[in-house]
Amino acid sequence: DQQVKQNSPSLSVQEGRISILNCDYTNSMFDYFLWYKKYPAEGPTFLISISSIKDKNEDGRFTVFLNKSAKHLSLHIVPSQPGDSAVYFCAASGVGNQGGKLIFGQGTELSVKP
Amino acid sequence: GAGVSQTPSNKVTEKGKYVELRCDPISGHTALYWYRQSLGQGPEFLIYFQGTGAADDSGLPNDRFFAVRPEGSVSTLKIQRTERGDSAVYLCASSLRGAGLDSPLHFGNGTRLTVT
Repeated sequence: DQQVKQNSPSLSVQEGRISILNCDYTNSMFDYFLWYKKYPAEGPTFLISISSIKDKNEDGRFTVFLNKSAKHLSLHIVPSQPGDSAVYFCAASGVGNQGGKLIFGQGTELSVKP
Repeated sequence: GAGVSQTPSNKVTEKGKYVELRCDPISGHTALYWYRQSLGQGPEFLIYFQGTGAADDSGLPNDRFFAVRPEGSVSTLKIQRTERGDSAVYLCASSLRGAGLDSPLHFGNGTRLTVT
């Protein structure tokens, strides 16, 4: 049972344009969500998070939007840069997850072309 | 370095052998997590330690997998009688005090295990 889903395995955008990465979840008990970024041969690195009581969180070029009624979140990157090319994972956790363990999606590979 | 360190970075073993994977968390982090990532998938939770004790081992796939953290710092993931299906990247992460909105997981670079 895949509780966190990223249905797009890959995304390609032009440098300077907006990148939108999407994530859907099924468990309404999740109370916070995170995005991680992963380069080849490295571990995932934390990017941005959002609490379920908010619908938007912004950090520089990165904004995460949460739509609880649709059980959907998205990560916007504006403007996209070639260095943003990586695999992006959304993750969720909350009351139902002992110790706050994270449940990850399958990842979306972003390619930003110069 | 100040990050999570995992050794070895690569491990090739024969089917049926025993392997140990080591994780050195960030100093002062009380929580330590093991995840496994297969090709094309996201990290899959295996086990979580708070201090020396395993607080949640619900992700361990079977009794061939075992992990310890005897002094509340370094952890070792042990796999007995390895199978080809165990081939994956094993990721370790630590956080200041159990993962939370203000305490994200910090991952190491992983150990790539290949069982031939």
